[in-house]
Amino acid sequence: GAVVSQHPSRVICKSGTSVKIECRSLDFQATTMFWYRQFPKQSLMLMATSNEGSKATYEQGVEKDKFLINHASLTLSTLTVTSAHPEDSSFYICSARADLETQYFGPGTRLLVL
Amino acid sequence: GNSVTQMEGPVTLSEEAFLTINCTYTATGYPSLFWYVQYPGEGLQLLLKATKADDKGSNKGFEATYRKETTSFHLEKGSVQVSDSAVYFCALSVPGANSKLTFGKGITLSVRP
Repeated sequence: GAVVSQHPSRVICKSGTSVKIECRSLDFQATTMFWYRQFPKQSLMLMATSNEGSKATYEQGVEKDKFLINHASLTLSTLTVTSAHPEDSSFYICSARADLETQYFGPGTRLLVL
Repeated sequence: GNSVTQMEGPVTLSEEAFLTINCTYTATGYPSLFWYVQYPGEGLQLLLKATKADDKGSNKGFEATYRKETTSFHLEKGSVQVSDSAVYFCALSVPGANSKLTFGKGITLSVRP
């Protein structure tokens, strides 16, 4: 299947700092990428849909000023968690849509805010 | 709205046992159905999919058949291995420009030697 990478795989930061997570589609172009958040032993919660060259669409209850998304090219989307707090600690997963039916997922980024 | 319901877990099996994980769905339109697998500490991997009624998706010994009459997409494997231990998610999407995946809660499978 297609390959999607995320960087970093793990990050620890102090409360109040900002953290940027990159999501790249390595062998295909993706006009649409998705950002999910996963709490321990729970399913994935869709945070936002990232469209290349336009503003992201956020799900209800997700603060767009806190979770900044930039989809600057057909192979790269970034999620920046601004002024991170301990409650933002989570596993963040991106996916890239390869066609109308199929998404390929990145390996995830574990964020720990101290 | 769209929703996916998975059987409650966790599931623990002995190696070479038969596996069935139930999944039912409700959807508007004609959804595509998916099974994703998540190994510990990793993201999700697409295991198999089916895009229309009566299609059978298969991969790595796993199978699931799209049953429109029962709105189900149960995952089966004839003989599980320890390496199959993971979390399994059933999901659907209604194809289109704004299609999103709707996930079930996931179920943890543990296979003991």
